Amino acid sequence: EDKVVQSPLSLVVHEGDTVTLNCSYEVTNFRSLLWYKQEKKAPTFLFMLTSSGIEKKSGRLSSILDKKELSSILNITATQTGDSAIYLCAVGYGNKLVFGAGTILRVKS
Amino acid sequence: DSGVTQTPKHLITATGQRVTLRCSPRSGDLSVYWYQQSLDQGLQFLIQYYNGEERAKGNILERFSAQQFPDLHSELNLSSLELGDSALYFCASSPRGGNEQFFGPGTRLTVL
Repeated sequence: EDKVVQSPLSLVVHEGDTVTLNCSYEVTNFRSLLWYKQEKKAPTFLFMLTSSGIEKKSGRLSSILDKKELSSILNITATQTGDSAIYLCAVGYGNKLVFGAGTILRVKS
Repeated sequence: DSGVTQTPKHLITATGQRVTLRCSPRSGDLSVYWYQQSLDQGLQFLIQYYNGEERAKGNILERFSAQQFPDLHSELNLSSLELGDSALYFCASSPRGGNEQFFGPGTRLTVL
């Protein structure tokens, strides 16, 4: 059965800290791995990683795909209270996305 | 704002009823996806349409159906509603059938 597991389930940090969120997967016919940020409502697209693009960076956020270990990490440096959200990892195969349960991040001021 | 629109924002109805959720994809996107998000199940893929045709099916119940119209908007029909159908329903779109999907604001369905 296709599976995406995220860890930790939740964490609380202080502003300025660096956090690392983990995602591991077991899917057949892997095509891509995506990270989304979900605040009040809709998931917002952050990154998509594929075999041809295993590392992405945007501002304080960066992500790496390890195809050997079937995993990915999302790093957030110099965290701000606005980073508080649920971070979702999804793995694409065929036309489908399978989502993990998410990591709840709370950044305290 | 992703450019994907969904109506209505909220819907409250009774068990046994039928509702229709509507989605308009981003301009130029041909693919529409429907997802259900509940507290205990997380985000679950329901169904995908590409340019009017069904392309992929996930964990969609037989009581649920969807279609995509020639103008590319999509509707998700939920019938014989049960309490357990209460959830957030998201629509997402992508240019073709790629995995990079952009989500609408969702419709919160409450079944009483």
